[in-house]
Amino acid sequence: DTGVSQNPRHKITKRGQNVTFRCDPISEHNRLYWYRQTLGQGPEFLTYFQNEAQLEKSRLLSDRFSAERPKGSFSTLEIQRTEQGDSAMYLCASSYSTGELFFGEGSRLTVL
Amino acid sequence: AQSVTQPDIHITVSEGASLELRCNYSYGATPYLFWYVQSPGQGLQLLLKYFSGDTLVQGIKGFEAEFKRSQSSFNLRKPSVHWSDAAEYFCAVGARNYGQNFVFGPGTRLSVLP
Repeated sequence: DTGVSQNPRHKITKRGQNVTFRCDPISEHNRLYWYRQTLGQGPEFLTYFQNEAQLEKSRLLSDRFSAERPKGSFSTLEIQRTEQGDSAMYLCASSYSTGELFFGEGSRLTVL
Repeated sequence: AQSVTQPDIHITVSEGASLELRCNYSYGATPYLFWYVQSPGQGLQLLLKYFSGDTLVQGIKGFEAEFKRSQSSFNLRKPSVHWSDAAEYFCAVGARNYGQNFVFGPGTRLSVLP
């Protein structure tokens, strides 16, 4: 069990560029979550998958955000046309059914 | 929908002193309750969880928490704080129904004085 892995750990980009983050969950976990965390705040829910199905999306997830989990394994979170307000830590977590979440170390996005 | 409040933004204690971090939740039924800890620039680590049964739960690193249904609270305690406990602490509530997400509180930052 290697834990939840996120890549890249840090991404610096210019406003208007697209970025993609990848999350590899714990292998036997069927649920995968994406959260966003800004400085001094708690994680805010973005979306989650059960296997390959995206079951819930937050209103925070604008049209510029898209998440996928092909084949129910790894997941990607893409942000198109990045804005400075997108600068945050993007956290991925996985769980088995309704059990506790296991978090990765996060991907920090800085939009210049 | 569930919600979580953590009334204390920042707490400072001396090493060796006892600690209590407050958490109040709002949810229509008995929730799943969690405490997570986060060190700077890192992900969140689970300290302890309450699903059912004994309302006093023990966690890692000497932490414990007590679920009080009448007060909608799940306060975190430690009898003697160590300098390495300095971090951000998050309380979270998860609904028991499928299709619900986990909601986190705003966090309490703990500083430990030598």
